[in-house]
Amino acid sequence: SQKIEQNSEALNIQEGKTATLTCNYTNYSPAYLQWYRQDPGRGPVFLLLIRENEKEKRKERLKVTFDTTLKQSLFHITASQPADSATYLCALGGYGGSQGNLIFGKGTKLSVKP
Amino acid sequence: KAGVTQTPRYLIKTRGQQVTLSCSPISGHRSVSWYQQTPGQGLQFLFEYFSETQRNKGNFPGRFSGRQFSNSRSEMNVSTLELGDSALYLCASGRGESGNTIYFGEGSWLTVV
Repeated sequence: SQKIEQNSEALNIQEGKTATLTCNYTNYSPAYLQWYRQDPGRGPVFLLLIRENEKEKRKERLKVTFDTTLKQSLFHITASQPADSATYLCALGGYGGSQGNLIFGKGTKLSVKP
Repeated sequence: KAGVTQTPRYLIKTRGQQVTLSCSPISGHRSVSWYQQTPGQGLQFLFEYFSETQRNKGNFPGRFSGRQFSNSRSEMNVSTLELGDSALYLCASGRGESGNTIYFGEGSWLTVV
């Protein structure tokens, strides 16, 4: 069966450092992969989308890579700030040809300490 | 531009009752998807509607149902509530084309007692 794993449930880092979050998947060939941020009690907020034919995408302090051979995506936040503390979710898309059917990982809770 | 709106925000129901949740998508979006989020299982896909038709369905029992209206607004219904249905129910809207992102509402917190 399809499986998606985010390597750690929690990640603690110091302000100013780079946070690196990992998303691995098996038994699936997604057409694209997305990263979302979720704050407690709130809905997920879209951050970045990367397609299977793209290796890397950047947006301000965020960078995502997508390696379809390794079946892995890495999500980086450079110069991290306490305001970046949240749970980050990766989601695989393109399944069933529809837009709304995403397979989500369980998330990594990032804590950035001042 | 207004985001995805979900109502009610919080509700408490008794086991055996039914509940209806509502979702208004972003203007111009024709796809509405529903997800259930629990601490143990994370975000799980329930179903997707596009132009009033269910386009995809997740692995949930028939007690979970939904519909979409001509104005793209959507409702989901859970009948014969069980304690395990306590969760955050999230609605997301999109233009309906695979490869484009979807945008989530703030969710409806359902507690079944």
